[in-house]
Amino acid sequence: ETGVTQTPRHLVMGMTNKKSLKCEQHLGHNAMYWYKQSAKKPLELMFVYNFKEQTENNSVPSRFSPECPNSSHLFLHLHTLQPEDSALYLCASSQAGTSGYNEQFFGPGTRLTVL
Amino acid sequence: DQQVKQNSPSLSVQEGRISILNCDYTNSMFDYFLWYKKYPAEGPTFLISISSIKDKNEDGRFTVFLNKSAKHLSLHIVPSQPGDSAVYFCAAGFNNRDDKIIFGKGTRLHILP
Repeated sequence: ETGVTQTPRHLVMGMTNKKSLKCEQHLGHNAMYWYKQSAKKPLELMFVYNFKEQTENNSVPSRFSPECPNSSHLFLHLHTLQPEDSALYLCASSQAGTSGYNEQFFGPGTRLTVL
Repeated sequence: DQQVKQNSPSLSVQEGRISILNCDYTNSMFDYFLWYKKYPAEGPTFLISISSIKDKNEDGRFTVFLNKSAKHLSLHIVPSQPGDSAVYFCAAGFNNRDDKIIFGKGTRLHILP
């Protein structure tokens, strides 16, 4: 595997379900991110992990719970979601701290539908 | 409040012509700007960047222009090719927060045959 991978690619869940999204980066980066992309909205940064420590939580509801067990893996645990949480969830990684340009490498995303 | 704005949701350009994608920003403290390109069913991929101390950066068919006084940047693609059809995101970042960049909504570019 190369780059940033995400599983599953598609997920349909009910509002009472618990599911998890997985992201893995094979680039040796030290920072990982979760973004939400809804229709006609900017990419919304949800969480940032830098050296496995959460450095950003952009007022995300507690029904989204991130986990970063090591610098290569990132999870997003989902619980009692709402239909408006349906979106494309993108994971990204970067090598933070090396230059002014923060080139982030994205995974293909998980298309989430909440019924 | 959106700090990075792409006011055109879509743009159609004839193949071979120039495509111009625009982006406005509100925070004069941004240190650099990026353009990302996204195909359906794929994540965004980095395209080109520009430092806030420059006014132009060129890479092959892609040129980004920065007008700091107007808080405006644009991406020029010339000549436009069918493979350029995608969504283009403008983004901005800070040197002292290199783990965070702010994206616009994106502009969908259609290259017409």
